Amino acid sequence: AQTVTQSQPEMSVQEAETVTLSCTYDTSESDYYLFWYKQPPSRQMILVIRQEAYKQQNATENRFSVNFQKAAKSFSLKISDSQLGDAAMYFCAYRTPAQKLVFGQGTRLTINP
Amino acid sequence: KAGVTQTPRYLIKTRGQQVTLSCSPISGHRSVSWYQQTPGQGLQFLFEYFSETQRNKGNFPGRFSGRQFSNSRSEMNVSTLELGDSALYLCASSREGGTPYNEQFFGPGTRLTVL
Repeated sequence: AQTVTQSQPEMSVQEAETVTLSCTYDTSESDYYLFWYKQPPSRQMILVIRQEAYKQQNATENRFSVNFQKAAKSFSLKISDSQLGDAAMYFCAYRTPAQKLVFGQGTRLTINP
Repeated sequence: KAGVTQTPRYLIKTRGQQVTLSCSPISGHRSVSWYQQTPGQGLQFLFEYFSETQRNKGNFPGRFSGRQFSNSRSEMNVSTLELGDSALYLCASSREGGTPYNEQFFGPGTRLTVL
């Protein structure tokens, strides 16, 4: 069974600094998709960034980028120039070939002004 | 384009009752998935519907059921409610099933409290 592990329940960073959230996963599949979702206090889950496993190039979306290490089954999220609006729960997720999302336990990110 | 909507947003029920939650996907989206979010178990997949058919099901008891209508709207039903069913229930829609690339768009959720 696929599993996703986020080893950091909480992280904090100073505004304008860079923070990296960790995620590891376990799968026997060779083709899959990985996602980072953000859930602010309003609770609407928002997609931050996605990575196709067959692509070697790391995905980037503005201030958000990933470090995808397929062999190590690692998928970390880097947030550059952190902003107060980045404060939220961040979930790493793996999408199975059967279409369901398997989520990690989440990392609560606090931004200190 | 309107996002995924879920009704009601908040619900309070007592043990033994049943409840029905509704989800309206983004226009044009045919796949609807349901997730349960609790502090202890995190986010867990309940089931996915595509073209009125349940395509996938998570590891939940038979008290949890769902359906999808021809307009892609979906409902989930929980019968004989237990205290442990208290959770945020999230619905997500995507354009079509069959390819993992399709992004899932989430609704705001329904907060169910079982007393």
